[in-house]
Parts: sequence; structure tokens; C-alpha cells
Amino acid sequence: GQQVMQIPQYQHVQEGEDFTTYCNSSTTLSNIQWYKQRPGGHPVFLIQLVKSGEVKKQKRLTFQFGEAKKNSSLHITATQTTDVGTYFCAGYTGNQFYFGTGTSLTVIP
Amino acid sequence: SAVISQKPSRDICQRGTSLTIQCQVDSQVTMMFWYRQQPGQSLTLIATANQGSEATYESGFVIDKFPISRPNLTFSTLTVSNMSPEDSSIYLCSVQGNQPQHFGDGTRLSIL
Repeated sequence: GQQVMQIPQYQHVQEGEDFTTYCNSSTTLSNIQWYKQRPGGHPVFLIQLVKSGEVKKQKRLTFQFGEAKKNSSLHITATQTTDVGTYFCAGYTGNQFYFGTGTSLTVIP
Repeated sequence: SAVISQKPSRDICQRGTSLTIQCQVDSQVTMMFWYRQQPGQSLTLIATANQGSEATYESGFVIDKFPISRPNLTFSTLTVSNMSPEDSSIYLCSVQGNQPQHFGDGTRLSIL
């Protein structure tokens, strides 16, 4: 079954509200990657986290890697309509690479 | 980052036929991958295309159904064989270079 789960599956927010997606793995991840896929587009790499407890920021986006390296989160502050898309986490568990189930974000102007 | 050209961008095929998808990269890359993404779903890795040797397939995918070629470090093909409606999906190639993975635009495949 699916090794890497994300919640929520869908999220609708008003423009300006914050948004968070959570990524949970059943096993320890060697690293975690985040991708964004716009509607009709292909996944685009955003960031990679490697260290336990690591936090990285990209403008309004904050990425965290859990202490146990089994979970991660992506938080967007003050969403904009350009943030619309599906956000995927991905990572290696052992020698298997999995994409998460994804969170689809809709931003209402 | 690498520029990936994937062809065709979309196709509509009859069941029982086969289609070959091409992935061309503008620079030499060690790792090339083929994914499938069914409508509204996540990405599933089909196989890793190895240069000079047979591809490494993930569980649930077999060479007879998805033969892959990788003649050099800039090019790979994926064939979807004996297609059925269940094969309707987006097929994406990706490469691993400076970024963990960089994707092509994908091939949208519909089988009638």
C-alpha cells in the first residue's frame, strides 16, 4: 500500500489565509523532497530536507522535517492565487522512492 | 537545470496497440526515471532507465508491458504495449542532476 500519506487531500482557502500540508511516512525517510504541480503541468522541485528537525524557508513557504524523519510539513503564509496546485512530498524509504498522495490547494480570490 | 523534451505530448490510441514515448535531455544525466500519474492521483515510479543495461522495474510493472531503452546518457524511450483503457494516464520522464528530480512535460495518453 501507499507508504507516504499526505493530509489533507484537498484544501480550499481564501486568499491571504495560511495553508499547511502534512506528510507522514510509515518508515524512516533518508530525506524529504517537496514538489509543486500546477493544474495541467508537471511536478516542479521546491526543496530537499535531509537533517532531522531541519527547517527551511523560501519566502512565504516554510518546510519542516520531523525529528524522527518520518514526517514533514509545508506551511504557506498568506496564500496567493499563484499558490494554486498540488503539493507532493517525496522521499526514499530504504531503497524505494515514493511520492506522497498529494494535497490539492485551491485559493479563492 | 536540464531541459527535457518529451514526445508525444499527447495521443489517443486504440486498445491493443503500442506507443513509444521519447525523452530527450539537453545534457548527460546519470539517472533517468519513468513515472505514471493517473488522473487526480500521485506519481508512481515505473522504472529506472539504466544506460547500457536493462531497466530496473518497480513492483507491479514488467518489461513485457513497459519496455524501456536507454541507448545513451541523454535519451530514453518508454513503450506502453498492448494498451487497454486502464493504461490511460500521464507518463512522465524525469532526470536526476543538480536537482533531485526534474520532470518533462509528460505524455497524456488516452486509450479508446
